[in-house]
Amino acid sequence: QVQLVESGGGLVKPGGSLRLSCAASGFTFSDYQINWIRQAPGKGLEWVSYISGTGSTIFYTDSVKGRFTISRDNAKNSLYLQMNSLRVEDTAVYYCARRVRYCSGTTCSYDAFDIWGQGTMVTVSS
Amino acid sequence: DIQMTQSPSSLSASVGDRVTITCRASQTISNYLNWYQQKPGRAPKLLIYAASSLQSGVPSRFSGSGSGTDFTLTISSLQPEDFATYYCQQSYSLPLTFGQGTRLNIK
Repeated sequence: QVQLVESGGGLVKPGGSLRLSCAASGFTFSDYQINWIRQAPGKGLEWVSYISGTGSTIFYTDSVKGRFTISRDNAKNSLYLQMNSLRVEDTAVYYCARRVRYCSGTTCSYDAFDIWGQGTMVTVSS
Repeated sequence: DIQMTQSPSSLSASVGDRVTITCRASQTISNYLNWYQQKPGRAPKLLIYAASSLQSGVPSRFSGSGSGTDFTLTISSLQPEDFATYYCQQSYSLPLTFGQGTRLNIK
């Protein structure tokens, strides 16, 4: 069964740190770019970061640059998000999501988030 | 950043109704547009990719159209399990961005 399972969420004070994990199963983990996407309580979805299958390419949304670090261990089929200098506005459910590419012949143009974890809640509050 | 704007923000409809949700991008994104469904307390689920391609396993009552800046998601005949929040998302450029969501309520 193809799935992603997040863990590591919790309550942390402003300025604190937290490390989220995402365990993958049922597919060849290293073949896929994996993303972190978050959703503040009662709000919409916000893309946070992605890492390529090999780990060589990484991007972040501006609001987390310099504070969050994404990484992966393909031998353990695991993705991580190290979150430092946490702010109240980082409070959200954090999802990991697989980004799949759709190909026609040798041309791969489109992509989407096809597999999502159940999410882990991060609360930043004093 | 590309801004994605959905309309309406919410709507009420009945089982069997035909419903259309629109999504507008702040700049052209060709057809790099995806649609997701999210139910309360659950992760989003991919419905449509590349503006009009149905994800495997998604019922055919869901369809998408559009290109450039204007897109639509249509549900041809609402079923009870379709009452949820729907999000569009552009995959044209980073940062990847989502619309604010459209909540579909039972009338």
